[in-house]
Amino acid sequence: GAVVSQHPSWVICKSGTSVKIECRSLDFQATTMFWYRQFPKQSLMLMATSNEGSKATYEQGVEKDKFLINHASLTLSTLTVTSAHPEDSSFYICSAREPGRYGYTFGSGTRLTVV
Amino acid sequence: AQSVTQLDSQVPVFEEAPVELRCNYSSSVSVYLFWYVQYPNQGLQLLLKYLSGSTLVKGINGFEAEFNKSQTSFHLRKPSVHISDTAEYFCAVSESGNAGNMLTFGGGTRLMVKP
Repeated sequence: GAVVSQHPSWVICKSGTSVKIECRSLDFQATTMFWYRQFPKQSLMLMATSNEGSKATYEQGVEKDKFLINHASLTLSTLTVTSAHPEDSSFYICSAREPGRYGYTFGSGTRLTVV
Repeated sequence: AQSVTQLDSQVPVFEEAPVELRCNYSSSVSVYLFWYVQYPNQGLQLLLKYLSGSTLVKGINGFEAEFNKSQTSFHLRKPSVHISDTAEYFCAVSESGNAGNMLTFGGGTRLMVKP
């Protein structure tokens, strides 16, 4: 089946620095990827939809200048948290639409802790 | 727009007992329905999905769900749970027929299987 690899699985960074999270579709081409944020014991909140070769579509309330999304190829989308602050600490998950099937494959998530 | 309500935030159950996790949705258009499981600090794994056809859908790990259009429900069931089923379960919907549409998640239900 379709596999999405996400890394790093966890990262600790200092306040004010930037962190990049990668999401790769290993055995299929993903024209669309989704980025979610999940707070402890809560559901997933869609942050943005990433389309290969075009600008990402951000959900209302998500700062596009803080959460930079790049989808430069059909197998790679990246989320960069710029000038991270402790309130950005969260679990970030990517997802890709499985080609030819109505399903979504998720990455294993990235636990970001900003200190 | 669509929304998903998972009526129970937590469901405690003894091992080998049956369980039902409830999910209701609201949408003005036809939808596809999904159930995902999430283990701690991991991404989401698809249990099953309903696209069309038979309203009873069988998934992995012995889970099944029934789509009830009149009640706008998609409850998840398992006749006998194991300790290893302890996890967070998410019900999700997307608009049918739209290849790039995003998933909308319910709030999640924490299944706690006790020995």
